[in-house]
Amino acid sequence: EDQVTQSPEALRLQEGESSSLNCSYTVSGLRGLFWYRQDPGKGPEFLFTLYSAGEEKEKERLKATLTKKESFLHITAPKPEDSATYLCAVGGNTGKLIFGQGTTLQVKP
Amino acid sequence: DTEVTQTPKHLVMGMTNKKSLKCEQHMGHRAMYWYKQKAKKPPELMFVYSYEKLSINESVPSRFSPECPNSSLLNLHLHALQPEDSALYLCASSQSGGLSNQPQHFGDGTRLSIL
Repeated sequence: EDQVTQSPEALRLQEGESSSLNCSYTVSGLRGLFWYRQDPGKGPEFLFTLYSAGEEKEKERLKATLTKKESFLHITAPKPEDSATYLCAVGGNTGKLIFGQGTTLQVKP
Repeated sequence: DTEVTQTPKHLVMGMTNKKSLKCEQHMGHRAMYWYKQKAKKPPELMFVYSYEKLSINESVPSRFSPECPNSSLLNLHLHALQPEDSALYLCASSQSGGLSNQPQHFGDGTRLSIL
């Protein structure tokens, strides 16, 4: 059964304190791994797609990496505006996205 | 600004009412999706339309009825809903359906409350 587990559930950082969010997955035939950001009362905002182990993508203070079993979202020198829930999702042979439970990030000034 | 537009943003309805949620995208995408999201939970897939045909129904109760009039529009017709149906309803689109190697782009949802 396809499964996605994100850790930690919640993360509190001071502004400028770098850290990483983890997304572990089991899927039959990985077609893509996706990271989203969701602000309260809004829909998920697409951030990155990763397709194969070793791939990396960057956008501003965010960097996503992928191995055969997990993905990391590294946040470098975060700012308060990076506070949000970050969702990881995988696409496999079913044609559907399987979402993790999300990591809620709070960055304090 | 999201490229998937959902209306209305908020909806309050009684259990005997009939209402519709609307979704529109102008990205030329050929797959559209309805999700339900409860507080502090990830989105749950309800329906998938691929090239204007229903391809996935995740065993959703018949009080939810989807419709795809054309490749840019997606509706969700609601009738005789229950209080537990209160949630954020999200619409998404992707370049083509049945291929989970493409990102889905989400609207900001309709916040639905059932009295």
